[in-house]
Amino acid sequence: KQEVTQIPAALSVPEGENLVLNCSFTDSAIYNLQWFRQDPGKGLTSLLLIQSSQREQTSGRLNASLDKSSGRSTLYIAASQPGDSATYLCAVPNYGGATNKLIFGTGTLLAVQP
Amino acid sequence: EAGVAQSPRYKIIEKRQSVAFWCNPISGHATLYWYQQILGQGPKLLIQFQNNGVVDDSQLPKDRFSAERLKGVDSTLKIQPAKLEDSAVYLCASSSAGSAQYFGPGTRLTVT
Repeated sequence: KQEVTQIPAALSVPEGENLVLNCSFTDSAIYNLQWFRQDPGKGLTSLLLIQSSQREQTSGRLNASLDKSSGRSTLYIAASQPGDSATYLCAVPNYGGATNKLIFGTGTLLAVQP
Repeated sequence: EAGVAQSPRYKIIEKRQSVAFWCNPISGHATLYWYQQILGQGPKLLIQFQNNGVVDDSQLPKDRFSAERLKGVDSTLKIQPAKLEDSAVYLCASSSAGSAQYFGPGTRLTVT
């Protein structure tokens, strides 16, 4: 059974710092991995989708890496800004079977202090 | 393109009452998902539809929850009767074959 873990659960950094969020998964048989952002009381915004054949994906100040063999992904945020404050979730789709439901970690709550 | 629409955004009800949520997926997306997100946790799938057929409802508490997707487009999720532990955000998502899942803004349910 796939389990997804995110460390740390919460992180507070001063504005301008570079930071790394971690995601680990127990079953390396994944199609892809997705990083989401969730603002308080809001839905999920997809940030990056990494296919299993890829090692990295970049979008602006965000860079996500994937190491399937070790069951790990990282989300790197460069030059953090107060507007980056949110909860960041990683998720992998269920592998095999009829459903491709996403299995989520519990998220990292990020606060960027001005 | 328009995103996934959900309504209402917020709902407060008393326990044992009933409630219904509505979702309109992205046009052309055959797959529709309902997730439940309890405070402090990641979302968990309640039910997945492919067109108007159910793919997975193994985590849906069928004694009180029901969902339908008529004509393979819009979907409704109903809870009857509600319990305190149903307080959560209910997220609808949709996808097309091989694509990422796109989420709506969610409905925050508070059961008192």
